[in-house]
Amino acid sequence: KAGVTQTPRYLIKTRGQQVTLSCSPISGHRSVSWYQQTPGQGLQFLFEYFSETQRNKGNFPGRFSGRQFSNSRSEMNVSTLELGDSALYLCASSLGFQGLTDTQYFGPGTRLTVL
Amino acid sequence: QKEVEQNSGPLSVPEGAIASLNCTYSDRGSQSFFWYRQYSGKSPELIMSIYSNGDKEDGRFTAQLNKASQYVSLLIRDSQPSDSATYLCAVNLAQAGTALIFGKGTTLSVSS
Repeated sequence: KAGVTQTPRYLIKTRGQQVTLSCSPISGHRSVSWYQQTPGQGLQFLFEYFSETQRNKGNFPGRFSGRQFSNSRSEMNVSTLELGDSALYLCASSLGFQGLTDTQYFGPGTRLTVL
Repeated sequence: QKEVEQNSGPLSVPEGAIASLNCTYSDRGSQSFFWYRQYSGKSPELIMSIYSNGDKEDGRFTAQLNKASQYVSLLIRDSQPSDSATYLCAVNLAQAGTALIFGKGTTLSVSS
């Protein structure tokens, strides 16, 4: 089975711009979660999508948004970029049932640099 | 605020030794616990998952869970230089889908 894929792998933007990141989950997985990883804060949960609906949301401002398509692919968008948004953005997919054993598998990440 | 705490390290062990990594969590309702390994510049990869009190072994890795003490640990036996990485403890947000809260990770260095 192919793993989680994320595009693009690297992005350079300037402050005030917006950016869209894409994630394709493992085949058969219906849940996609997004995380931001920075050296200072570590891995922080952004949001989770399941069956095209946002099921859970972390503590990030409204500039961060996402969506999921009927084929389970997901996109996240960051508007009005700030320097502090520079980070590795990771997507993780799972089957999505809310049971004990559901496990998340991570994609390679998108490295976003905001200048 | 639900939290997961790890000693940031670095934890240095010689090749062949046992490395012990520890993690505590704040939410008593948490049910699922995971250890991920992250090499520098790479994404996290799953090593172990554990759901019930006690030990779970997989090859050189043993995860231990004590829900009463809200404590999870990972033991790596016969440590190898290739085990040098950051180890992330993650806990399921009990009432919220499959979202995970991560600790900030412990950096392990295994010297040959």
